[in-house]
Amino acid sequence: LAKTTQPISMDSYEGQEVNITCSHNNIATNDYITWYQQFPSQGPRFIIQGYKTKVTNEVASLFIPADRKSSTLSLPRVSLSDTAVYYCLVFFSGGYNKLIFGAGTRLAVHP
Amino acid sequence: EAGVAQSPRYKIIEKRQSVAFWCNPISGHATLYWYQQILGQGPKLLIQFQNNGVVDDSQLPKDRFSAERLKGVDSTLKIQPAKLEDSAVYLCASSPTSGASGETQYFGPGTRLLVL
Repeated sequence: LAKTTQPISMDSYEGQEVNITCSHNNIATNDYITWYQQFPSQGPRFIIQGYKTKVTNEVASLFIPADRKSSTLSLPRVSLSDTAVYYCLVFFSGGYNKLIFGAGTRLAVHP
Repeated sequence: EAGVAQSPRYKIIEKRQSVAFWCNPISGHATLYWYQQILGQGPKLLIQFQNNGVVDDSQLPKDRFSAERLKGVDSTLKIQPAKLEDSAVYLCASSPTSGASGETQYFGPGTRLLVL
């Protein structure tokens, strides 16, 4: 059964680094993991994507261990405007061929 | 570059009525997705089109939901008849090519449906 699991919520303070982990079973070697950010009354917005090791862009890093059973979104030095819901999206191939979103992690950044 | 457009933004109907949502993807994008997002949950894929062909509609409740993408551009999602549990945000997204292996998707603002 293809499934993704994320923590329901997290709290942080401005300037701190935040790490959000998504667990995903049965993921194949080349299946991508993508992270999206969603604000109230808006559609999800792309943050970062990868399928192995580490990917970094101007806003985040994505860490994927060798066993690929999880991935971690890292947000450096968060600000109040990073308060949002963060979703991992995994494409499960290998017979499933399913796009599965996690339930989302609600991040609250405090002053 | 214009983003994904959806209309209407809000809709209130009574149960057993019909409703339709419209989506205009980013120009040139081959793949179009419809998702249902119930309050407090992650989006659930209802149907994925590549051009005007269906790639995946395994989670579309076909007894009441239908979708089409004529000419491989705009798309319409219809619910007939609506049930209370259909209350949700309906998100449309598009991606440039085949959508394979989780290609980056670009989402519209969504249509919020309330069924009374």
